[in-house]
Amino acid sequence: EAGVAQSPRYKIIEKRQSVAFWCNPISGHATLYWYQQILGQGPKLLIQFQNNGVVDDSQLPKDRFSAERLKGVDSTLKIQPAKLEDSAVYLCASSPQPWDIQYFGAGTRLSVL
Amino acid sequence: EDQVTQSPEALRLQEGESSSLNCSYTVSGLRGLFWYRQDPGKGPEFLFTLYSAGEEKEKERLKATLTKKESFLHITAPKPEDSATYLCAVYHFSGNTPLVFGKGTRLSVIA
Repeated sequence: EAGVAQSPRYKIIEKRQSVAFWCNPISGHATLYWYQQILGQGPKLLIQFQNNGVVDDSQLPKDRFSAERLKGVDSTLKIQPAKLEDSAVYLCASSPQPWDIQYFGAGTRLSVL
Repeated sequence: EDQVTQSPEALRLQEGESSSLNCSYTVSGLRGLFWYRQDPGKGPEFLFTLYSAGEEKEKERLKATLTKKESFLHITAPKPEDSATYLCAVYHFSGNTPLVFGKGTRLSVIA
């Protein structure tokens, strides 16, 4: 069974630029999550989708971050404009349903200079 | 405020030296507690789920246990390949709340 796919693996941008990350979840998983993991910290949920609807985006900085999940499968997370404090690893995870085991992708490491 | 605290932050063991990692939580009604392993440059990898106090699960050299306030991850006779960061995370019953992660314990096993 294929795992969660993310791209790119690494991205370096300057502050105030925009960036987008892509995620393809495990086939058949209805729930998709985007996390931010700062060095030395545990992952923090940014947004949770159930199929193509948003379930929880309470911790998403909506003035600069946006996310969508078209057709309930792939998802993109965008940051515009980026700030220095956005430097982190962005992880995508999926699960069959909410509260199930979450399976993570390898993440995208973002460096904002 | 709900909180997940892991200790120690870092642990260095000799190969074969058994030890335990701790995860304490303060949530109003535990729905499930998860242990993940994270290697450098990779996403977290699922290890165990525990749902009720007294529950135990084992996998190779790892054993996870759960009480009403904390969970332990016991590592028996560790090997260098067990070196990783171990993350604990909890779901609780209050509404549609996210999985809350601790900061992790960074384990190094020296040959």
